Amino acid sequence: EPEVTQTPSHQVTQMGQEVILRCVPISNHLYFYWYRQILGQKVEFLVSFYNNEISEKSEIFDDQFSVERPDGSNFTLKIRSTKLEDSAMYFCASSDVGHIGGYTFGSGTRLTVV
Amino acid sequence: GNSVTQMEGPVTLSEEAFLTINCTYTATGYPSLFWYVQYPGEGLQLLLKATKADDKGSNKGFEATYRKETTSFHLEKGSVQVSDSAVYFCALKSNQGGKLIFGQGTELSVKP
Repeated sequence: EPEVTQTPSHQVTQMGQEVILRCVPISNHLYFYWYRQILGQKVEFLVSFYNNEISEKSEIFDDQFSVERPDGSNFTLKIRSTKLEDSAMYFCASSDVGHIGGYTFGSGTRLTVV
Repeated sequence: GNSVTQMEGPVTLSEEAFLTINCTYTATGYPSLFWYVQYPGEGLQLLLKATKADDKGSNKGFEATYRKETTSFHLEKGSVQVSDSAVYFCALKSNQGGKLIFGQGTELSVKP
């Protein structure tokens, strides 16, 4: 069964450093998403991406965040200058046209900012 | 705005017990409703979904019925197993836009 792959599974970074979280969505999916889950809290929407541009973003997704699909297969989330409160599990997801099959999520990247 | 509220966990049951996890939602229009499951150390997996009122989603013995009159999508299973121990998330997708809005998750622990 097709999977969404995320790397790394766990990243530790110092406050103020830049991090890039990587995702390989399902190959024939056209919609891509990032969500995050702070420990013990809800899964929160960050951003959706379609046709090489952001289609929707939440208030969490401020200027410190950016997304990119650099090569037609990877989908990345960059945090420019990490803060302690960015520590969370970050999930990538993808869906097909019309979201008929639902959303397929990756296993997540646990980001720890120290 | 759109929101999802789930019953708080953790829920602890004995094997073969009946499970209900309550989920209610607030949304404009006619959202699609989902249950996702997260096993320890893994990502979110789609368990079942329903796209319109009175639809019943079902998978692996789990069921949920889209009730517009009560704005609910409660998850049920007649006989739980130890392997069902996980965190369960109710979610909605509005008919405008593609993002999912999640409830806070309910942890289920099934004891032998």
